[in-house]
Amino acid sequence: SYELTQPPSVSVSPGQTASITCSGNKLGDKYVSWYQQKPGQSPVLVIYQDTKRPSGIPERFSGANSGNTATLTISGTQTMDEADYYCQAWDSSTAVVFGGGTKLTVL
Amino acid sequence: EVQLVESGGGLVKPGGSLRLSCAASGFTFSNAWMGWVRQAPGKGLEWVGLIKSKTDGGTTDYAAPVKGRFTISRDNSKNTLYLQMNSLKTEDTAVYYCTTAPYFYDSSDYYRYYFDYWGQGTLVTVSS
Repeated sequence: SYELTQPPSVSVSPGQTASITCSGNKLGDKYVSWYQQKPGQSPVLVIYQDTKRPSGIPERFSGANSGNTATLTISGTQTMDEADYYCQAWDSSTAVVFGGGTKLTVL
Repeated sequence: EVQLVESGGGLVKPGGSLRLSCAASGFTFSNAWMGWVRQAPGKGLEWVGLIKSKTDGGTTDYAAPVKGRFTISRDNSKNTLYLQMNSLKTEDTAVYYCTTAPYFYDSSDYYRYYFDYWGQGTLVTVSS
């Protein structure tokens, strides 16, 4: 079955750039979405189709996908960005698959 | 404003059944592909399944762990999505989220989807 691997945690200082990676075999050939989930809340879509931002998502969120790695980048990270982040892709054998999630700490 | 409101969660014994509902508003429900995603306590997100719009065939996809036990259906006259869960196992304990699932076609002309709007979730606990 297809697997997506994310680092369990990433730390960043306020105002700096945070990069969260998601790795999978030939992931660059698939479309990746990213979700933000704050404690006690439902997930929120922040990036879809690798690079697109839904309306209402700040421009500081961006996505890229190439080779075996997709990356969610948060520029000028704010304390409100502290959350769990999940990547998601599609695979012909497993259909929808989520990464294990990355806890972003802003300190 | 898109709203998805799940209901029907609760405590059920292993082997039992439960039906979740998701009341949708703020968009044309009949045209939407809809999904279910779950999250076990303290764990990550896990896809459960999807149902296409009736105009796209109304067919369903399921994740391997629930295939044959769970059934997704929809009532477009009531703007409601359902998840019928049978033969429940302790590992099905989770918060179940209803989502909208916009779709697109990739370069090989296969459909793909993601999850843009999410409900607040309903907790299902399977325990004796």
